[in-house]
Amino acid sequence: DAGVTQSPTHLIKTRGQQVTLRCSPKSGHDTVSWYQQALGQGPQFIFQYYEEEERQRGNFPDRFSGHQFPNYSSELNVNALLLGDSALYLCASSPAGRPAFFGQGTRLTVV
Amino acid sequence: GENVEQHPSTLSVQEGDSAVIKCTYSDSASNYFPWYKQELGKGPQLIIDIRSNVGEKKDQRIAVTLNKTAKHFSLHITETQPEDSAVYFCAAPARGRGQNFVFGPGTRLSVLP
Repeated sequence: DAGVTQSPTHLIKTRGQQVTLRCSPKSGHDTVSWYQQALGQGPQFIFQYYEEEERQRGNFPDRFSGHQFPNYSSELNVNALLLGDSALYLCASSPAGRPAFFGQGTRLTVV
Repeated sequence: GENVEQHPSTLSVQEGDSAVIKCTYSDSASNYFPWYKQELGKGPQLIIDIRSNVGEKKDQRIAVTLNKTAKHFSLHITETQPEDSAVYFCAAPARGRGQNFVFGPGTRLSVLP
């Protein structure tokens, strides 16, 4: 079992650009959540997808959007990147009703 | 919504000593509390969790205690080893549907040989 896999591992983008991050959940897991982790802080919830729909959303602007595919994999899109979007983006998967398992994250740097 | 505080922010212990990290939460309806360990360059890893219907749970050198009345829960690591050095996060459920959590700010544990 490969666990939760995220791609790419590192990414550098210019302010104003758009970025897409990808996540493949652990086998058998149908729920995917995305978190943003700024340096030295705990993860902050962005949104969660279940059955290809956004089920819950945290306090993030509409520039952050996502998608879940029929195979449960997911994408996180961020438009009009700001310097403050620089962070580690974590994907977590879970079967319904159980705790989340995290991927290694994508380190996004906006310059 | 839920608010989670965590103390201390940094903790240094000698190898073999015990370490205790404490978290408080605000939502009395919260019923599940996981702890995560995050090593450098990796995502958080679930190490132990506790549900609100029990007061303590142990797994080898790791234990978690829960005080629902005071709304706090603690992570206890005994016989610490250098490989226990990492950042530890507590979390509590956020309101609403789903299985999402509000995380504490983290505790950087250093185990000195």
